[in-house]
Amino acid sequence: DIQMTQSPSSMSVSLGDRVTITCRASQDIGNYLSWYQQKPEKSPKFMIYGATNLEDGVPSRFSGSRSGSDYSLTINSLESEDTGIYFCLQHKQYPLTFGSGTKLEIK
Amino acid sequence: QVTLKESGPGMLQPSKTLSLTCSFSGFSLSTSGMVVSWIRQPSGKSLEWLAAIDWDGDKYYNPSLKSSLTVSKDTSNTQVFLKITSVDTADTATYYCARRRGLWAPFDYWGQGVMVTVSS
Repeated sequence: DIQMTQSPSSMSVSLGDRVTITCRASQDIGNYLSWYQQKPEKSPKFMIYGATNLEDGVPSRFSGSRSGSDYSLTINSLESEDTGIYFCLQHKQYPLTFGSGTKLEIK
Repeated sequence: QVTLKESGPGMLQPSKTLSLTCSFSGFSLSTSGMVVSWIRQPSGKSLEWLAAIDWDGDKYYNPSLKSSLTVSKDTSNTQVFLKITSVDTADTATYYCARRRGLWAPFDYWGQGVMVTVSS
């Protein structure tokens, strides 16, 4: 199985800050990496696909990048509505595997 | 408009069989490339992919749970089912179904989830 190591597990940041969350893949997954945001008691929301592409309707302050086997989600200028838990997902091969999640809170 | 909705028993006893249904609209599972997966999430924990079935009827399972899982679909291609045999308390979780438009595509639509508690 492909392991997705996500860090940090939690972050407490100030409004307007820049936030970066990273997932490292244990094997080559190419750009088959997507990001999801989950609010309390809600299902995950699809945010980024192909490692770098924003889904329609996702604010432009969100971005995705890749450096080798490291994949990052960046939020420029954090807003209050960005709180929640963020997960990465590799969908290169079965079994599909998720990162452990990053809980993002406002300081 | 694509929607998915899970349904299940809510609570069941250990050693029983859990049966879940994912009912969806706005797409057909007979469309080439379509895949519906089951994913679960214990409270406060991360997500675990369980199983998938594609437009061609091919089935995929998480090897860690394969022996206890069965995924299937109905003939109208608007429902997908998941059975988990011999459940125990570790199967307590919120269960989601989600759609992919291709075997290498991300999950673009998710259901609202259904909470299942395994308890005696």
